[in-house]
Amino acid sequence: DVKVTQSSRYLVKRTGEKVFLECVQDMDHENMFWYRQDPGLGLRLIYFSYDVKMKEKGDIPEGYSVSREKKERFSLILESASTNQTSMYLCASSPIVSEQYFGPGTRLTVT
Amino acid sequence: AQTVTQSQPEMSVQEAETVTLSCTYDTSESNYYLFWYKQPPSRQMILVIRQEAYKQQNATENRFSVNFQKAAKSFSLKISDSQLGDTAMYFCAFMGANDYKLSFGAGTTVTVRA
Repeated sequence: DVKVTQSSRYLVKRTGEKVFLECVQDMDHENMFWYRQDPGLGLRLIYFSYDVKMKEKGDIPEGYSVSREKKERFSLILESASTNQTSMYLCASSPIVSEQYFGPGTRLTVT
Repeated sequence: AQTVTQSQPEMSVQEAETVTLSCTYDTSESNYYLFWYKQPPSRQMILVIRQEAYKQQNATENRFSVNFQKAAKSFSLKISDSQLGDTAMYFCAFMGANDYKLSFGAGTTVTVRA
């Protein structure tokens, strides 16, 4: 079974803090994705990566950056957290052009 | 991003009965993939069913089946013999044939009543 893990289930941070969300997959997938999920909006793509050190902006990249130094790990970085970044963050991975496999999610609260 | 619309924010169904969730999408592509994902209260998103647009036959997966109407750009999910474990949020998603990215609808919350 594909396994995608995320470093935290719940996270509380203060405005202005730098926040790191980590995602690891164990299936040697090329593609990895970061989404945020908000009620009534579904999932919106923040960034994705199709190879090590390669990344592309998704639909809502503002305020976020990413890092992929190893194939199995994809990090989402909030350089200076703001209250409007309070959300559920979901990581996913996939082989090329296929369905995506999701992690359990991180509920981030910025106060 | 492609537009995916789920017009039913919430649905309720009695155990053992059938419920149908609607999804429409907007695309100019001729080949693409469509998915239904389930997110139970535990939050882990899992794939329910997948349909490839070039296939005429509707996909089925045990009690889950789809009605894919390509001309109408409609992709509904039918859950037969509903079980309490089907209680979840269901998301419809679109992916272009040469794309990596999924576009999601807003989701439909399904509650199965005992």
